[in-house]
Amino acid sequence: DAMVIQNPRYQVTQFGKPVTLSCSQTLNHNVMYWYQQKSSQAPKLLFHYYDKDFNNEADTPDNFQSRRPNTSFCFLDIRSPGLGDAAMYLCATSRDGSRTDTQYFGPGTRLTVL
Amino acid sequence: QKEVEQDPGPLSVPEGAIVSLNCTYSNSAFQYFMWYRQYSRKGPELLMYTYSSGNKEDGRFTAQVDKSSKYISLFIRDSQPSDSATYLCGGNYGQNFVFGPGTRLSVLP
Repeated sequence: DAMVIQNPRYQVTQFGKPVTLSCSQTLNHNVMYWYQQKSSQAPKLLFHYYDKDFNNEADTPDNFQSRRPNTSFCFLDIRSPGLGDAAMYLCATSRDGSRTDTQYFGPGTRLTVL
Repeated sequence: QKEVEQDPGPLSVPEGAIVSLNCTYSNSAFQYFMWYRQYSRKGPELLMYTYSSGNKEDGRFTAQVDKSSKYISLFIRDSQPSDSATYLCGGNYGQNFVFGPGTRLSVLP
């Protein structure tokens, strides 16, 4: 089945220790997104790629970076995680960003910062 | 004002009840509206999407959009304990997707 896969599902890191979260998709979608979701809150968009074009949200901290080496993979790098970065990180894809597009989410990676 | 607002709940109903979940939005640029279901500690799962004002039905689920009042609803008929989850509404314009905080629903057997 075509899907969005995230690894690992659970990640524990130490304060200030860099961490990388991975997302892959078999949908062959052009657009990939990274969201941060804290408990009982809406997913907050961090950035997205339309193909190779990177689009950063204005309020995304510099601590968060992303890479998309090819259509299938996208990575979220947190350079120096703080306690406030503990959250669920969701990867999503959409076909082409057209007005009738819909998003498909992965299962998420739950990040714990000690 | 947040772009998408919904009552966070929690909402508890007995099994078999009709559930009504509601959202309001402020951005007139939204062209597409979606409902996602999110089980605890899982990613959101697309339930329904609709483009125009009016109703869209899929099994026990009906999505309703009223663009004139910027109101989105999801109705669940014959609710089941397996429907217990958080329901997120959202809207999009092109590549921009915006979600509400979700309404937590519990269907009690």
